[in-house]
Amino acid sequence: GNSVTQMEGPVTLSEEAFLTINCTYTATGYPSLFWYVQYPGEGLQLLLKATKADDKGSNKGFEATYRKETTSFHLEKGSVQVSDSAVYFCALGGSTSGTYKYIFGTGTRLKVLA
Amino acid sequence: DTAVSQTPKYLVTQMGNDKSIKCEQNLGHDTMYWYKQDSKKFLKIMFSYNNKELIINETVPNRFSPKSPDKAHLNLHINSLELGDSAVYFCASSQDRRDRGGYTFGSGTRLTVV
Repeated sequence: GNSVTQMEGPVTLSEEAFLTINCTYTATGYPSLFWYVQYPGEGLQLLLKATKADDKGSNKGFEATYRKETTSFHLEKGSVQVSDSAVYFCALGGSTSGTYKYIFGTGTRLKVLA
Repeated sequence: DTAVSQTPKYLVTQMGNDKSIKCEQNLGHDTMYWYKQDSKKFLKIMFSYNNKELIINETVPNRFSPKSPDKAHLNLHINSLELGDSAVYFCASSQDRRDRGGYTFGSGTRLTVV
């Protein structure tokens, strides 16, 4: 079946550091890939998405490229801010046994220090 | 105007009680979901309705019963609450059952069973 694996956290960075959160997937067919962000006490918000191979999703300085050859969708940001502290979820949308559903990774907590 | 709203935000109740959580979306979406997030932030889908029809029913105890009176509402009733039911429950919606655009989440209901 489909699955998503993302790096375990927590990830602690200083402000203005470079961020990478790794995400790899296993899927049949052509899934869509997403990154969601969850701030403390809130629901998940869609951060960015890519629906086909080589697409790059980007939003708020974050970006991720859908790489079919390495089955990856790593999240990157060039210079993080304290306000980026949150939990980040990689997700895959695809069909499993004829049912289309989203599968979420286990989440990676990011803490940015001033 | 909140796109996906859940009530209540917090729910503290004793073991053995029956409780309900309500969800409403004003986005005109056809498909709604219930997810459970445990203390380690792991997200697991429970149910999905498409235009009032149940389309996803994961291996959830039958103490949990969803109900969708119309496509804008999805409620979750839980009978005989147990300590292990303590979690954050998220409602979400999408344009349709194969929406590649991403989900819109509510802000969650934190259920604590004592």
